[in-house]
Amino acid sequence: SQTIHQWPATLVQPVGSPLSLECTVEGTSNPNLYWYRQAAGRGLQLLFYSVGIGQISSEVPQNLSASRPQDRQFILSSKKLLLSDSGFYLCAWSVLNSSPLHFGNGTRLTVT
Amino acid sequence: RKEVEQDPGPFNVPEGATVAFNCTYSNSASQSFFWYRQDCRKEPKLLMSVYSSGNEDGRFTAQLNRASQYISLLIRDSKLSDSATYLCVAYETANAGNMLTFGGGTRLMVKP
Repeated sequence: SQTIHQWPATLVQPVGSPLSLECTVEGTSNPNLYWYRQAAGRGLQLLFYSVGIGQISSEVPQNLSASRPQDRQFILSSKKLLLSDSGFYLCAWSVLNSSPLHFGNGTRLTVT
Repeated sequence: RKEVEQDPGPFNVPEGATVAFNCTYSNSASQSFFWYRQDCRKEPKLLMSVYSSGNEDGRFTAQLNRASQYISLLIRDSKLSDSATYLCVAYETANAGNMLTFGGGTRLMVKP
């Protein structure tokens, strides 16, 4: 069966520090991969999605970036965090067009 | 940007009640739909897929009305454990890839 791992679960970082969140999927090949952010009490905002290695589409221009160095690995990064980057970051995968997303457990980021 | 809209609630219902949520979508090209359940500070989890006119799973029934562009979720015999936020998702295929649009969620609170 397919599983998705996302880490760390929680993170507290100072403003201006770098960020690296990692997500890996097991049990499937060539998945579509997604990064979402959910601010407190708000809906899900799509940040990036990827349909293959090295293919990244950005939905919201900001100081975040994403990379997919391997088929089942998706990384969210920032060189300098802002206070507004605080939120709940969710990685997700799907395998087919029109198939549902399956989410990782999420990373709760607090920028201080 | 196409939108998916939900009444944020909260819907406060007694245990055993029947409750229904509606979700409207603005993009007539949307091809499939999903309902997710999200508990506080947790990741969304797939509740039901809605590919055609509707779907039923135990106490939960989802219906799709393409003419009026809405989907609904009906919960019968509400349990305390049904308390959560319910997210509606519309899926459309665009040139840039597969696009999922999440609604802001409807919060349900089931009281004893």
